[in-house]
Amino acid sequence: GAVVSQHPSRVICKSGTSVKIECRSLDFQATTMFWYRQFPKQSLMLMATSNEGSKATYEQGVEKDKFLINHASLTLSTLTVTSAHPEDSSFYICSARDRVGGRSNQPQHFGDGTRLSIL
Amino acid sequence: QKEVEQNSGPLSVPEGAIASLNCTYSDRVSQSFFWYRQYSGKSPELIMSIYSNGDKEDGRFTAQLNKASQYVSLLIRDSQPSDSATYLCAVLRVGNEKLTFGTGTRLTIIP
Repeated sequence: GAVVSQHPSRVICKSGTSVKIECRSLDFQATTMFWYRQFPKQSLMLMATSNEGSKATYEQGVEKDKFLINHASLTLSTLTVTSAHPEDSSFYICSARDRVGGRSNQPQHFGDGTRLSIL
Repeated sequence: QKEVEQNSGPLSVPEGAIASLNCTYSDRVSQSFFWYRQYSGKSPELIMSIYSNGDKEDGRFTAQLNKASQYVSLLIRDSQPSDSATYLCAVLRVGNEKLTFGTGTRLTIIP
């Protein structure tokens, strides 16, 4: 159980392109999903918390107009990197938590990640 | 002081030995603790979760939690080369949705 699917797994595109990444919880409902970014040999950096039916909460220093997050249903959140530039090249990972029985201490389960390369 | 601290390693352990990974945290109201394994180029994978003081065993893995000392550890028995990865300690505070991650310990199992 607790499978999170993330697509696409890899994107290579030209500078200025907008890229959409999907994150789905396959066998559970996730009122909250999380988006991380990871540069080579560095730890995970939380970008934003995605809440179903409401606006995402962005971490300090993350541009909300650059990284658009939509959490339209209990099983799907999307991250759109708008007008991507080479410095946006990174490994983007989503996670979701199953709020079983309303408990808030369940672990986060991660998608497989999306490797974004902007030329 | 970082909220969650781990020795970055690398930690080298002979195959078949016990690998011991340590993590300390600064916030006493932390309630839930998780160990994730991350292979190079892959996303993190949940290995263990622990919520109360003491030991929790799952196969070759044992998580140990000591809330008084604000310390959580992961033991890997009979280490295998496939255990070579970066291990991330993560902590969840009461009333907070977000996980706080350590920087990870890179573990290498030497055949």
